[in-house]
Amino acid sequence: DIQMTQSPSAMSASVGDRITITCRASQGISNYLAWFQQKPGKVPKRLIFAASRLHSGVPSRFSGSGSGTEFSLTISSLQPEDFATYYCLQHSTYALLTFGGGTKVEIK
Amino acid sequence: QVQLVQSGAEVKKPGASVKVSCKASGYTFTGHFLHWVRQAPGQGLEWMGRINPNSGGSNYEQKFQGRVTMTRDTSISTAYMELSRLTSDDTAVYYCARGLTAMTLGEEDYWGQGTLVSVSS
Repeated sequence: DIQMTQSPSAMSASVGDRITITCRASQGISNYLAWFQQKPGKVPKRLIFAASRLHSGVPSRFSGSGSGTEFSLTISSLQPEDFATYYCLQHSTYALLTFGGGTKVEIK
Repeated sequence: QVQLVQSGAEVKKPGASVKVSCKASGYTFTGHFLHWVRQAPGQGLEWMGRINPNSGGSNYEQKFQGRVTMTRDTSISTAYMELSRLTSDDTAVYYCARGLTAMTLGEEDYWGQGTLVSVSS
C-alpha cells in the first residue's frame, strides 16, 4: 500500500501569512493527488485535483504543486475562512486510495 | 442536483454489525463509483473502499478486508456499507462520497452528510 506522510500535523498562522503544507508518498504517484479542506462539523471539500489544478470556485490564493513523491499545498495569503484541516489524497494505485494524516491550521 | 443522503445514527454493541445506506439522486447512479470514508472522533479521514454501482464490484482497503462488504441496489439508487465484528475503534462518522478521484475540471466531489456509528457496551 502507498503511505502518505503529511506535515506538519498542525500549525499556527496569522491572517495574511503564506503557508505551505506538504505530502510525501511512499512511492511515485505521478500527479494522482488531491487536496481537501474540512471545517469542524462539515464534510470535506476538494480544493485541488491532479496535484496542481484548482477545483472550480476555489480562490486563487490556493495552489498545489508537485509530482512523483513530493507535493505541496500553498495558501498565499491566509484568510479567516481558511482556518481548517487539510488532507491530501492519493489515488494512483488501482482502486486503493490513501489520505494523508491531516494538517490543522489554527489562528495564531 | 446531486445528493447523497445517508441513513441515521447507529448505536451498536461490540461484536455486532452495522449497515449504513447512501441514497443517490440527481444523477445516473450506475455512472459513478461511490467511496466510503470514515472519521473517528478528533481523527483524520480514512478511506475504506469503493463500489462500482454498475457492476457491483468493490475494492476494499486491506485493513477492512474480511469485515466490510459494500453492495448496491440499483432499483433504488442506494449503496450500502456493512461492517462486522465491531469494536470501539470503529466508532466514527462514516461518509459515502463520489468524485474523489477526478482528474478533469468540472467533475465535482459530493459527500453524504455522514452517519455516526457508536460502538459501546
